[in-house]
Amino acid sequence: GENVGLHLPTLSVQEGDNSIINCAYSNSASDYFIWYKQESGKGPQFIIDIRSNMDKRQGQRVTVLLNKTVKHLSLQIAATQPGDSAVHFCAESQASGTYKYIFGTGTRLKVLA
Amino acid sequence: SQTIHQWPATLVQPVGSPLSLECTVEGTSNPNLYWYRQAAGRGLQLLFYSIGIDQISSEVPQNLSASRPQDRQFILSSKKLLLSDSGFYLCAWTKIQGGAEAFFGQGTRLTVV
Repeated sequence: GENVGLHLPTLSVQEGDNSIINCAYSNSASDYFIWYKQESGKGPQFIIDIRSNMDKRQGQRVTVLLNKTVKHLSLQIAATQPGDSAVHFCAESQASGTYKYIFGTGTRLKVLA
Repeated sequence: SQTIHQWPATLVQPVGSPLSLECTVEGTSNPNLYWYRQAAGRGLQLLFYSIGIDQISSEVPQNLSASRPQDRQFILSSKKLLLSDSGFYLCAWTKIQGGAEAFFGQGTRLTVV
């Protein structure tokens, strides 16, 4: 069945270093992908998204890369800050109008001072 | 601007008691609405979604039900709670047309005792 998974459950990064969080998806029909971050006890917050017609998209300090050949998604965070500490989720969906998302289990990013 | 309200923030209920969680969206019309559940340390599981008033789709068989009596109101209910219903419940919305980012509420922590 469809599933979205993450390679690493926990990632510890020194403050100021770059972070890379990876995600694998299994549904070749998925054409829209999002990265969210979730702080403890709060709802997920949007980080960045990408459509399947793109390989790379950049935001402020973040870059998402999409490799459709191997069905792999990654989130790169430049100059990681303490405020980046959170669980980061990837999600996949098909733009059928309902925008149903399937979320991975998440990677906890810990920023070390 | 659009906002999403979800309440209550926390809830402790005895087994067998009823449940009603409410979610409302402001600043948009005809949103897609979603209910997700998140178990501790796990990803988000889609429970219900709705593309319009009284149009509810259930994703997983369970002890819960959802209703959408108004365009921007989404309610999650149960007649008799089970211990397994404990979790973090999140309401979300997306635009019908254009854009696919899901906006989340702050969540309800439900503990069934």
